[in-house]
Amino acid sequence: ELKVEQNPLFLSMQEGKNYTIYCNYSTTSDRLYWYRQDPGKSLESLFVLLSNGAVKQEGRLMASLDTKARLSTLHITAAVHDLSATYFCAVAGSNYKLTFGKGTLLTVNP
Amino acid sequence: SAVISQKPSRDICQRGTSLTIQCQVDSQVTMMFWYRQQPGQSLTLIATANQGSEATYESGFVIDKFPISRPNLTFSTLTVSNMSPEDSSIYLCSERTSNEQFFGPGTRLTVL
Repeated sequence: ELKVEQNPLFLSMQEGKNYTIYCNYSTTSDRLYWYRQDPGKSLESLFVLLSNGAVKQEGRLMASLDTKARLSTLHITAAVHDLSATYFCAVAGSNYKLTFGKGTLLTVNP
Repeated sequence: SAVISQKPSRDICQRGTSLTIQCQVDSQVTMMFWYRQQPGQSLTLIATANQGSEATYESGFVIDKFPISRPNLTFSTLTVSNMSPEDSSIYLCSERTSNEQFFGPGTRLTVL
């Protein structure tokens, strides 16, 4: 059974600081997703990582994938208040079914 | 990406009743899924909606409780049957196209 562990679950940051969210998974997968969810909203797709060593960046967010370690990271650079949200990683299992981590509630304080 | 709409966006229902949620995608998609997000929790896959055949349910979810239809490549419905307060959740449909997987806006269900 595919298991996905995400940490930290809660993250309070100051604006301008850097931090990393970690996503570990238990079995081999060729597809890892990062999503953002604002309160009361649906999921917004941030990144799809498809291969070992994949790195993608969008603005202040950068995601990477190490399939050998079964680890993905979401790095936040110079955080701003607008990044406050819950971030989920999700790993694709058989037949493209996604198993989600528990999510990281990120709060960026001025 | 395909545009996904869901109806209703929210509803408040009495226990013992049933609610059918509709999911419409603006283009033909290969795969459609239904997920549940309980309050303050992550997402859990309910089932894969298969076009023209019975849905494939995950462990802990059964067809009698969550009947699903997918009559074509752009539309699916999920029914939450004989509801109880424990069914209060956000229900989201999702579609997979190529390597991406996108989610609809969700249906927020409250059962009293």
